[in-house]
Amino acid sequence: AQKITQTQPGMFVQEKEAVTLDCTYDTSDPSYGLFWYKQPSSGEMIFLIYQGSYDQQNATEGRYSLNFQKARKSANLVISASQLGDSAMYFCAMRLPSGDTGRRALTFGSGTRLQVQP
Amino acid sequence: ETGVTQTPRHLVMGMTNKKSLKCEQHLGHNAMYWYKQSAKKPLELMFVYSLEERVENNSVPSRFSPECPNSSHLFLHLHTLQPEDSALYLCASSQEVELIASNIDYNSPLHFGNGTRLTVT
Repeated sequence: AQKITQTQPGMFVQEKEAVTLDCTYDTSDPSYGLFWYKQPSSGEMIFLIYQGSYDQQNATEGRYSLNFQKARKSANLVISASQLGDSAMYFCAMRLPSGDTGRRALTFGSGTRLQVQP
Repeated sequence: ETGVTQTPRHLVMGMTNKKSLKCEQHLGHNAMYWYKQSAKKPLELMFVYSLEERVENNSVPSRFSPECPNSSHLFLHLHTLQPEDSALYLCASSQEVELIASNIDYNSPLHFGNGTRLTVT
């Protein structure tokens, strides 16, 4: 079964500094997609960035980048130039292409609470 | 309206009540999901409707009953809930592209609504 592990329950970062949120995953499927979501206190899950297992380059979306190390099965999120509005829960998730529909849905990690300090 | 809309935002119900959560997506997607988010637990997939196939997590109690009348609407019917069912219930949708031999394209993100905060008293 696929599994996502986020080992940092909480992180602090100073405004304008960069921060890395860790994510490791476990699957025997060669094809998979990795996603990061942000959940502010309002509750909505906001899609941030995607990395495919066959992508040669690390994904980037504005201030978000994904440090993808396939051999180590890690997909860490890097947020550059942190802003106060970045304070939220961050979830790493994985999708698989094959098998039953339930496996194809997103499997989430337990999340990391990021607090940006002024 | 755009995106994924969930109603109500907050719901308080007694254990003997019957209520329904509603989700509507305006993204033209062909798959919809219910997730449960409890305190200090990872998001838990409850039900999926994807490409006319319904899948449920076998650990979900029968007091939760989904209904998907069309690709834009999803309901979660609740009856005789327990206090431990208090949680944030999130609806999501995605566009599924079927490849070959039951494989789908796995790069489609799920788009979530704001959730319904349910309290069972």
